Amino acid sequence: GAVVSQHPSRVICKSGTSVKIECRSLDFQATTMFWYRQFPKKSLMLMATSNEGSKATYEQGVEKDKFLINHASLTLSTLTVTSAHPEDSSFYICSARASTGLLSYNSPLHFGNGTRLTVT
Amino acid sequence: EDQVTQSPEALRLQEGESSSLNCSYTVSGLRGLFWYRQDPGKGPEFLFTLYSAGEEKEKERLKATLTKKESFLHITAPKPEDSATYLCAVRGVTNAGKSTFGDGTTLTVKP
Repeated sequence: GAVVSQHPSRVICKSGTSVKIECRSLDFQATTMFWYRQFPKKSLMLMATSNEGSKATYEQGVEKDKFLINHASLTLSTLTVTSAHPEDSSFYICSARASTGLLSYNSPLHFGNGTRLTVT
Repeated sequence: EDQVTQSPEALRLQEGESSSLNCSYTVSGLRGLFWYRQDPGKGPEFLFTLYSAGEEKEKERLKATLTKKESFLHITAPKPEDSATYLCAVRGVTNAGKSTFGDGTTLTVKP
């Protein structure tokens, strides 16, 4: 149980174009999803918290107009990298907790398999 | 601010050679300490949750332990398929449900 599906797994785009990444919880409902960015040999950097039916909460230093997050349903969150540039090339990973409410604070994260974005 | 430091950064073992990975942390009110395994090009896979000092969890060749300042991931008689990056994360009561991750330990087990 607690499967998170993320796609595409790899995408190459030209500088200036936009890319959408989808994150789905397959067998549970996720009121909250998290988007991370991971640099080589480094840990996960939280970009934003995606909340179903409301605006995402962005971490300090993350441009909300560049990284658009939409959480339209309890099973789907999307991250759109707008006007991508080579410095946006990275590994993006989404995650969710399978439980909700107060119990969710003690629950582990379940991750998608990530999206390798290359901007040329 | 919650902090997590993992050591060593990289560990190379021979098959069957047991060892331990360390995760030192500071957190304001621990809700949970989590261990994950990450294979290259993949998302992290959940291994264990520890909630209080003295707690231990086991799964196959892996055993996680917790004190008030650190956690250890003990690997007994590792096999090449245990090669991966192991990530430690903490979640505190004051951080709005967010997890803070360490940089990980990359384990390589040679046959």
